[in-house]
Amino acid sequence: GENVEQHPSTLSVQEGDSAVIKCTYSDSASNYFPWYKQELGKRPQLIIDIRSNVGEKKDQRIAVTLNKTAKHFSLHITETQPEDSAVYFCAANNAGNMLTFGGGTRLMVKP
Amino acid sequence: DGGITQSPKYLFRKEGQNVTLSCEQNLNHDAMYWYRQDPGQGLRLIYYSQIVNDFQKGDIAEGYSVSREKKESFPLTVTSAQKNPTAFYLCASSIWDNRYEQYFGPGTRLTVT
Repeated sequence: GENVEQHPSTLSVQEGDSAVIKCTYSDSASNYFPWYKQELGKRPQLIIDIRSNVGEKKDQRIAVTLNKTAKHFSLHITETQPEDSAVYFCAANNAGNMLTFGGGTRLMVKP
Repeated sequence: DGGITQSPKYLFRKEGQNVTLSCEQNLNHDAMYWYRQDPGQGLRLIYYSQIVNDFQKGDIAEGYSVSREKKESFPLTVTSAQKNPTAFYLCASSIWDNRYEQYFGPGTRLTVT
């Protein structure tokens, strides 16, 4: 089945710097890749997603890139702010058309 | 924070007891899901239901049971057979044809001692 690996598990950046989180997936048939943000004690919320027919998608300070050949996709956050501090999860759809999630990245933005 | 609710937020049980976690949604979504979240392991799918009176096992269904008698409700029972039940449990819902866009509830943190 699908396997999604996410790195790093923790990431600490200075406010204003960029943050990059990477995920790799195993199933070449996967074609949908969402990213969720989970603030402490709260529910995961979808922040951006990308489908396999595009290589990049941007929404203000966040962007996601997809490399289908290498089977990896990344989340980029520019000009980080303290409120970006959270756990971020990547996911990919699997053969059963459910989502397989990565292990999560705890992002800490230091003011 | 409306749409999908879970109760209670925190739940404590003694080992050997069954416990039922509640999940309700008013989004008119046909599909509902239960995930378990452990530190460093992301979200793992326990059960999902595409439609009322139908549900399927996910990746880690052993020791859990569900029912789907109403479209709005998808309760999860953690049985005494679940070897390591202490975890954060998340319920989600979606339109089945757009099942990748899942909306999550606030979660229930279950502690079994």
